[in-house]
Parts: sequence; C-alpha cells; structure tokens
Amino acid sequence: AQKVTQAQTEISVVEKEDVTLDCVYETRDTTYYLFWYKQPPSGELVFLIRRNSFDEQNEISGRYSWNFQKSTSSFNFTITASQVVDSAVYFCALTPNQAGTALIFGKGTTLSVSS
Amino acid sequence: DTGVSQDPRHKITKRGQNVTFRCDPISEHNRLYWYRQTLGQGPEFLTYFQNEAQLEKSRLLSDRFSAERPKGSFSTLEIQRTEQGDSAMYLCASSSLWGGNEKLFFGSGTQLSVL
Repeated sequence: AQKVTQAQTEISVVEKEDVTLDCVYETRDTTYYLFWYKQPPSGELVFLIRRNSFDEQNEISGRYSWNFQKSTSSFNFTITASQVVDSAVYFCALTPNQAGTALIFGKGTTLSVSS
Repeated sequence: DTGVSQDPRHKITKRGQNVTFRCDPISEHNRLYWYRQTLGQGPEFLTYFQNEAQLEKSRLLSDRFSAERPKGSFSTLEIQRTEQGDSAMYLCASSSLWGGNEKLFFGSGTQLSVL
C-alpha cells in the first residue's frame, strides 16, 4: 500500500526563520513521483515541485529547497527566511504514475508565519 | 488563461437532495480530475477523464456519484441523495503534459455542506 505521512500537523514560526516540513512516504513501486503542493486560504492547490524516484538530487528554487532521500523514504521541504505570505497548508503527495492520476496526499502541515 | 474554474464556490443542501457541481478546465487541457478533501485531510482522488472518456474511478466514488465530461471540455459531478458524510470540498484539476511530465492545475473547489 502507498502512504504519505506528514507528522507535523501545525508549525508556527516568526518571519525570517527557516522552517522544514517533513514528509515520509511508503511505496513498493520502484518508479514513483513525489510532489509538494501549497494550499493558501483561498483553497486552490498550487504545484511547487515534482521529483521522480531516480533523481535524488536536492533542488533549490529561491527560498525553497527540497531534500529527497530514498534511504529514509523522505522528501523534506525547507523554506528559508520565511515570510507571512508563506502561511498556508503544505501537502506532500505520491503517485506511481507519471500522470497525475490517483495522487496520494498526506494530511498536510499548516504553516503559520507571524510578523 | 483564467485557470480552472469551479461553480458554485459553496453549496448548502439538505440530506437527501441532489447536487451538481461544474468544473471548467484550462481550455487546452485534455485531462480533468475530481478530488475530494475533508477538513484536516489531504485531497482524495475520485475520478479522471481524458477528453470525454472517464478512464479511472476510485472506490470512494459510490453509485450515488456520477461524473461526466460530455464534450471533453467542462465536467459535472453529481451527487444523488446526499448524506452528511458527503460534506467536503470538491476539487477539480486539469493538466497538460510538459516534456512527458504532467502538471496539475487545481481550481478553488466547491465546498459542500449537507445539513
């Protein structure tokens, strides 16, 4: 069975702090895809990143960075110098398909950034 | 490009009534997905279409639920004889392929409350 666990339900930080959101996944597939989505209060899920199981390179995009480690089945997300606009619910998701069918989402981590 | 549009944004209904939601995907996207999200949970896959063909349905999609995409453009999701357990956010997404990788664009959802 496939499963995504986001153990942190809520995180509160003060602006400019760095914050890491944890994601641990379970799958028996050798090929799979991992995603992070952001859901602001407006409700619309916003795609942040996709990573396939063969690519363990870490990725940095501005203040965002992702650490993928197959050995620990983790795909953690770090926001550097957090800002109030980063406040949202963040979801990690998994699928064995290159297509977006049947994405398995974690329960999400609510990030609150205060000024 | 106005993104994925869902209507209505909110729907309140009494138990036993039928409800229908509409989703207008991004115009050139041929794949369309329906997900359901309950409070404190990640979205759960319901069904997806490629053009007008419904290619996959989750076990979550009971026989009271039906989805259509008659001309391969907009889609409707109907719930018959609603139950309180149907209360949730219903999310629609559409996708395109970029270099073989699929990227989902989500709408803001329809929040259903069954009284």
